[in-house]
Amino acid sequence: GAGVSQSPRYKVAKRGQDVALRCDPISGHVSLFWYQQALGQGPEFLTYFQNEAQLDKSGLPSDRFFAERPEGSVSTLKIQRTQQEDSAVYLCASSPLSLNTEAFFGQGTRLTVV
Amino acid sequence: QQPVQSPQAVILREGEDAVINCSSSKALYSVHWYRQKHGEAPVFLMILLKGGEQKGHDKISASFNEKKQQSSLYLTASQLSYSGTYFCGTASYNGGSQGNLIFGKGTKLSVKP
Repeated sequence: GAGVSQSPRYKVAKRGQDVALRCDPISGHVSLFWYQQALGQGPEFLTYFQNEAQLDKSGLPSDRFFAERPEGSVSTLKIQRTQQEDSAVYLCASSPLSLNTEAFFGQGTRLTVV
Repeated sequence: QQPVQSPQAVILREGEDAVINCSSSKALYSVHWYRQKHGEAPVFLMILLKGGEQKGHDKISASFNEKKQQSSLYLTASQLSYSGTYFCGTASYNGGSQGNLIFGKGTKLSVKP
């Protein structure tokens, strides 16, 4: 694809439900990032992959959040037992090499927990 | 450690200039600037690496003062299309890896006709 693709674009979940958010990075991009963006705030770092290795998961807010990138391309962010405070836009970004290159963002998944 | 941006918001008339600042308490390896319009993904503007460089991009330029761990984004002769929220993202060298990219809270820029 031409850019970073995220699906679904919108997700409404009932409190307590599990959700899975998908990110298709630009082909060949080594680095992949997940961010959580609340309304009117900057993107908050969640986790970072270099190929299939999860190098940093310090931003994951709780053990209900889990991310994987098993083959070094597509990544999935899973949130178990969703809570209202999980409502946010989840952004995925990829970059070709290390961090000192442009990161390309997807359109995000807007998650609303009701 | 999240970088601090200032001001939080600024309103300009078309053609006016603005400066947005970004500072960090950590030693930085690079500073990244992005602009995000409402409901859209952040769009890359430029990266500055440690070494105190300055970069330009049309009428938008930026500087990075490594000693002060500060970066400034300069918008000159602003256009309506400059409206949006500007984020700086900072990366600190972290052992063997580059570390993650941490964003500030953003500066909302509104350009009026």
